[in-house]
Amino acid sequence: DARVTQTPRDKVTEMGQEVTMRCQPILGHNTVFWYRQTMMQGLELLAYFRNRAPLDDSGMPKDRFSAEMPDATLATLKIQPSEPRDSAVYFCASGRHGDTEAFFGQGTRLTVV
Amino acid sequence: QKEVEQNSGPLSVPEGAIASLNCTYSDRGSQSFFWYRQYSGKSPELIMSIYSNGDKEDGRFTAQLNKASQYVSLLIRDSQPSDSATYLCAVRYSGNTPLVFGKGTRLSVIA
Repeated sequence: DARVTQTPRDKVTEMGQEVTMRCQPILGHNTVFWYRQTMMQGLELLAYFRNRAPLDDSGMPKDRFSAEMPDATLATLKIQPSEPRDSAVYFCASGRHGDTEAFFGQGTRLTVV
Repeated sequence: QKEVEQNSGPLSVPEGAIASLNCTYSDRGSQSFFWYRQYSGKSPELIMSIYSNGDKEDGRFTAQLNKASQYVSLLIRDSQPSDSATYLCAVRYSGNTPLVFGKGTRLSVIA
């Protein structure tokens, strides 16, 4: 059953704490996207990687967000320090370069109090 | 700035009717167009893709693309209550770029 796996599914944290979200892309997919979804803004691209190299992270607040791909089976999105305005659902999606579809994970619902 | 616009809805249709969802995009060079369905609390799932002008049919779903008007639509025939969800329009400028999403249209099919 090929699917994108994200952990944790839900995270509640206090303002100022570090948050790390993880994503395992579909095996064989070499492109990974991080999106954030809120009611007001919809789905916004934060960053994406191809063959583990970051191609665009212009959607991320650089002072607090960082995204990495330590290996082909793991992508991470880190927020330090977290703020209440970071509360959202964070989706990871993966695809194959040259293909047009992107497949989404179940998301991480982050609440910063 | 590439933008994708959708009416937020809610769009309410009776069971068995045709639901028509619309989307416009700003970048004339866009090449690939997608419709995703998202149930409340779930992740987006791809239901249709279209790349050339005209209609593309898949079961009860028809995607329509008009590049001259920068307009893409999704028709759902014989709407069912299980079709009630938010429908996201997504556009890709080229095969190497990420999808740009609209904010979605919430569809409610009334039994």
